[in-house]
Amino acid sequence: QKEVEQNSGPLSVPEGAIASLNCTYSDRGSQSFFWYRQYSGKSPELIMSIYSNGDKEDGRFTAQLNKASQYVSLLIRDSQPSDSATYLCAVNRGRYGGATNKLIFGTGTLLAVQP
Amino acid sequence: DAGVIQSPRHEVTEMGQEVTLRCKPISGHNSLFWYRQTMMRGLELLIYFNNNVPIDDSGMPEDRFSAKMPNASFSTLKIQPSEPRDSAVYFCASSPTSGRSSYNEQFFGPGTRLTVL
Repeated sequence: QKEVEQNSGPLSVPEGAIASLNCTYSDRGSQSFFWYRQYSGKSPELIMSIYSNGDKEDGRFTAQLNKASQYVSLLIRDSQPSDSATYLCAVNRGRYGGATNKLIFGTGTLLAVQP
Repeated sequence: DAGVIQSPRHEVTEMGQEVTLRCKPISGHNSLFWYRQTMMRGLELLIYFNNNVPIDDSGMPEDRFSAKMPNASFSTLKIQPSEPRDSAVYFCASSPTSGRSSYNEQFFGPGTRLTVL
């Protein structure tokens, strides 16, 4: 079992719809969770971080965390063609700095927003 | 504000040659990470430093790879000798860890695309 698992996609949604991206992780001790967006040929860009159970909203993005189910998701409302990219889920076991700030990345989900 | 800076952006070399990749982290960030990304294996952590000290190098594939961080504003990743299977995009990332708390957010540089012929 991979430490961080994502469906590779592609996930195709029409413009204006809600895109739902999912990620599961295996280490119950994980504390910090991140979503990165990566356009083709570019570097990963941090778009959301979440540390507590529940929802966290930032503009059109909502991150959802359920530690009991070891599940984190990203919702993109009013999807735009410019949202088409690979979305990487990353998990960190420790909340504090020092030797525990290593991130484990999933393989990413390719999102395609159709105009 | 300047982000993470990497050089060169592209490198084409022949098998057996030495390759040196460079990274300047965001000023004030205490942690630096080297990643490799390929289609087959995704994004892999090679090594990371905290306060210029290597903490975890378990991802370094073999002795041909070495990394240094002589000061807080500079790091190198060296491959000697290079092989075609080393062809990948190499990213450097930095993180603003602190003594009291850290949310471990990492910020990536633009990457170096390495091609070994």
